[in-house]
Amino acid sequence: AQKVTQAQTEISVVEKEDVTLDCVYETRDTTYYLFWYKQPPSGELVFLIRRNSFDEQNEISGRYSWNFQKSTSSFNFTITASQVVDSAVYFCALTWMDSSYKLIFGSGTRLLVRP
Amino acid sequence: NAGVMQNPRHLVRRRGQEARLRCSPMKGHSHVYWYRQLPEEGLKFMVYLQKENIIDESGMPKERFSAEFPKEGPSILRIQQVVRGDSAAYFCASSHERTHSGDTQYFGPGTRLTVL
Repeated sequence: AQKVTQAQTEISVVEKEDVTLDCVYETRDTTYYLFWYKQPPSGELVFLIRRNSFDEQNEISGRYSWNFQKSTSSFNFTITASQVVDSAVYFCALTWMDSSYKLIFGSGTRLLVRP
Repeated sequence: NAGVMQNPRHLVRRRGQEARLRCSPMKGHSHVYWYRQLPEEGLKFMVYLQKENIIDESGMPKERFSAEFPKEGPSILRIQQVVRGDSAAYFCASSHERTHSGDTQYFGPGTRLTVL
């Protein structure tokens, strides 16, 4: 079965700390896609990154970085030097071939960055 | 380039009434997905549509819920005879036609449905 687990329900850090959000996935398929979305307090969903199963290169975008490891079925997200504006709920999601490409979401991690 | 648009943003209905939620995909996108987010939970897939066709409705409740994506106009998610348990945020997402395989879904702002 396809599944995404975000074991951290809530994380609280002080501004400028680094923080890593964990995501572990399960899938039988060899071709799949992983995503991270941000949901700020205003409620909308903001796309952050998409990663293909055949591309294990890590990615960095400004203060954001992602570590994709197929060996451990993990796709972790690190925010460096966190800021108050990073406070949000972050969702990891999975889709795969022959699934209509519907997204399976984790339960989300609520990140609170305190000044 | 306008993003995915949803309206209304907030909708209040009394038990037994009908709720109609509308979604206009991004320009050039012909794939539409609907998801539901219950309070304090992640999003759950409901239905996937292309123009005039329902492709996958495996996440849709069997009764009272329906969806359409007509040739002209927005996609509509319709909930008949709403109950309190239907209170949730309903999100629409769209993806591009030509690069559909695993393509990124972009989400609208959501419709928050409250059933009194």
